[in-house]
Amino acid sequence: KAGVTQTPRYLIKTRGQQVTLSCSPISGHRSVSWYQQTPGQGLQFLFEYFSETQRNKGNFPGRFSGRQFSNSRSEMNVSTLELGDSALYLCASSLESGTYEQYFGPGTRLTVT
Amino acid sequence: QKEVEQNSGPLSVPEGAIASLNCTYSDRGSQSFFWYRQYSGKSPELIMFIYSNGDKEDGRFTAQLNKASQYVSLLIRDSQPSDSATYLCAVRKGGSYIPTFGRGTSLIVHP
Repeated sequence: KAGVTQTPRYLIKTRGQQVTLSCSPISGHRSVSWYQQTPGQGLQFLFEYFSETQRNKGNFPGRFSGRQFSNSRSEMNVSTLELGDSALYLCASSLESGTYEQYFGPGTRLTVT
Repeated sequence: QKEVEQNSGPLSVPEGAIASLNCTYSDRGSQSFFWYRQYSGKSPELIMFIYSNGDKEDGRFTAQLNKASQYVSLLIRDSQPSDSATYLCAVRKGGSYIPTFGRGTSLIVHP
């Protein structure tokens, strides 16, 4: 069974631009969560989508948004990029919302210059 | 006080020894606890989760939970160099899906 895929794997953007990251969950998984990982703050929860609805949201500004499509694929958007948004963005899929087992994708490394 | 605390390490143990990784949490309402392993440059992978007081064993790994003392630990028996990684502890409060992660403990197993 194929794992979680994320595209692109690497991205370089300029301050003020916006970016869209994509995540395809494991086949059959309906929940997708997004995380930001930085050396300074560690791994932090952004939001979770299940059945095309945002179910949970972490403590991030409104510049961070997402959506989920009917095939469970998810996208995350960051508008008006700031230098501090440079991070590894990870998505994780699980069968259902709230299940203990979630599987992480390889991540998208975003660098904001 | 941070919600989930881990010693950053590195924790260095010889091959074949028991590695003991600890995590403390501040919210008494926390109900489920997770250990992830993250190799350098890779994404985290779930090792085990625990939600009842006591021990839970899975192969060489044992998670121990003590809610009264608000700590959860991970023991790795017969440590191997391939166990060298950062181990992340995550905690979920009751009724919440949102996990809070510790900063991780770097483990080095030397031959």
